[in-house]
Order: sequence, then C-alpha cells, then structure tokens
Amino acid sequence: EIVLTQSPGTLSLSPGERATLSCRASQSVSSSYLAWYQQKPGQAPRLLIYGASSRATGIPDRFSGSGSGTDFTLTISRLEPEDFAVYHCQQCGSSPYSFGQGTKLEIQ
Amino acid sequence: QVQLQESGPGLVKPSETLSLTCTVSDGSISSYYWSWIRQPPGEGLEWIGYISYSGSTNYNPSLKSRVTISVDTSKKQFSLKLSSVTAADTAVYYCARDGSYGDHVIWGQGTLVTVSS
Repeated sequence: EIVLTQSPGTLSLSPGERATLSCRASQSVSSSYLAWYQQKPGQAPRLLIYGASSRATGIPDRFSGSGSGTDFTLTISRLEPEDFAVYHCQQCGSSPYSFGQGTKLEIQ
Repeated sequence: QVQLQESGPGLVKPSETLSLTCTVSDGSISSYYWSWIRQPPGEGLEWIGYISYSGSTNYNPSLKSRVTISVDTSKKQFSLKLSSVTAADTAVYYCARDGSYGDHVIWGQGTLVTVSS
C-alpha cells in the first residue's frame, strides 16, 4: 500500500499570501493518478486537482498542482478568505487508493 | 448537474451490518465508476472501494472481508454493505462518482453512521 504523508500538518498564513502544501508518497505514483481535495467543516471534500496538475471544473486558477514520482505540491498563489480549509491528497494509481492525513490551512 | 445522495440508518448496533444506498440524480449511472469513502470524526479520509456500472468491484483490503458494493442501474443507485461493524466503523460515509483517473469528481453530502448499542 502506498502511504501518503502531507506536510505541514497545519499551515498558518494570511489572506493574500502564497501557500505551498506538500504530499510525499512512499512509492512512486503515476502523475495521472494524484489528486487534491479541499474540505471545509461539515462539508464533503471537493476535487481541486487531478492528474497532479489539471484543475477540476470551476476551480480558480490560483490553485495549481505540480510534481512527479514521490513528491507532489499544491500551490495557492494568493490566498482568499474562502481558501482556509483542510486539504487532502490522494493517489488513485495503485490499489488500495490512499489519502494523506491532510493539511489544515488556517488564518494567521 | 449530477447529484448524489446517501441514505440509510444513522445508528447501527455492534456486530450488525451497515447498509447505505447512494442515489444518482440528474445524470446517468452508466459509463462511470462509483466509490464509497469514509471519514471517522476528526480523522482523515479512507477509500472503501468502487464499483463500475457493469458491476466490477475493487475493495480496500483492510475491509475486503466485510464489504460488498453493488449497483442497480434501473434505480440509478449503488449500495454499500459493511458487516460485523464495531465502534471503529463510526464515520461519515460518502459516495462519489469517479473520474477517468480514479479521482472522486462528484461527492454526496455524506451521512454519519454511528455504531453503538
């Protein structure tokens, strides 16, 4: 099973700043099968990025994904108030599909 | 706009079987894969398994001996059964429609299932 480790666990930033979230895999993941989700309290996760770097429908271009192999990054270029949430990465290339433990992005 | 809605008991007794159904509205159930994911309170996400519209399945080995996912295309529903539940199975259960690369594109709102006597 591929284990995904997200860092940091909590990221404290202010609106307008740049956020960089990391997802590291215990084995190589095909880039086509790495996704990022945003989850707000009491809500279901929302797909942000699939295929490591493709934005899902309706996702603003301030969200971008990059990386390959075992290291992947989600970048939010300029934080908006609505971006403060928990972010999860997931690999879907090797069964069982697995999620990282999440990064909480909080307002500083 | 496709919408998913989970339904089923919110309380299940230990050792019994958890049963949930996901209803697909405003869209087709064919030509897609459909997943179940769960999230214990305050914890991360766990993929349970998926089913294709034709009925092929793939389950998380950690749950495989207890999980069955089925589909009823005529009703535009797919279902989850998890047997021999314990308190560790208490979670919000989500259904989702999968994209071409296994990602979960559309999610239901989730339903909390508590295992308790």
